[in-house]
Amino acid sequence: SQTIHQWPATLVQPVGSPLSLECTVEGTSNPNLYWYRQAAGRGLQLLFYSVGIGQISSEVPQNLSASRPQDRQFILSSKKLLLSDSGFYLCAWRGQGGHQPQHFGDGTRLSIL
Amino acid sequence: KQEVTQIPAALSVPEGENLVLNCSFTDSAIYNLQWFRQDPGKGLTSLLLIQSSQREQTSGRLNASLDKSSGRSTLYIAASQPGDSATYLCAAKANAGGTSYGKLTFGQGTILTVHP
Repeated sequence: SQTIHQWPATLVQPVGSPLSLECTVEGTSNPNLYWYRQAAGRGLQLLFYSVGIGQISSEVPQNLSASRPQDRQFILSSKKLLLSDSGFYLCAWRGQGGHQPQHFGDGTRLSIL
Repeated sequence: KQEVTQIPAALSVPEGENLVLNCSFTDSAIYNLQWFRQDPGKGLTSLLLIQSSQREQTSGRLNASLDKSSGRSTLYIAASQPGDSATYLCAAKANAGGTSYGKLTFGQGTILTVHP
């Protein structure tokens, strides 16, 4: 069966520090991968998605970036965090083609001080 | 631009009640609609996915319906239990093509509390 792992579960970072959140998927190949942010009262916002290695599409301009160095690895990064980057970050995957549901990881709670 | 609205924002019911959660979307040209459950501090768990050509999907005590022409979907939960307490989100998937690629647009969710 397929599983998705996100780490760390929680993270407290000072303003201006770098960020690296990692997501890996097991039990499938060539998945579509997604990064979302869930802020209180604002619902889920799609940040990035990827349909293959090295292929990244950005939905919202911001100081975050994403990379997909391997088929089942998706990384969310920032060089300098802002206070507004605080939130709950969720990684998701979906099988290619057809009516495939999205499956989510357990998320990372990021607090910027 | 697709907009998804969920009503009510919060719902509290006694155990054993049957209940309905509502989801409406503005653009009826959807590919499918997905219902999720989110427990506090956790990720989303996929519950049901209804294809645009389908009217409903069932899984255990859950039944989701879809009416594309009116832009509505409902999630019916039978014989509710305290373990059903969670936030329920619906998400409409756009047809692939153009710049939409098939993205999911989420509602804000309905917070459900089932008390013993």
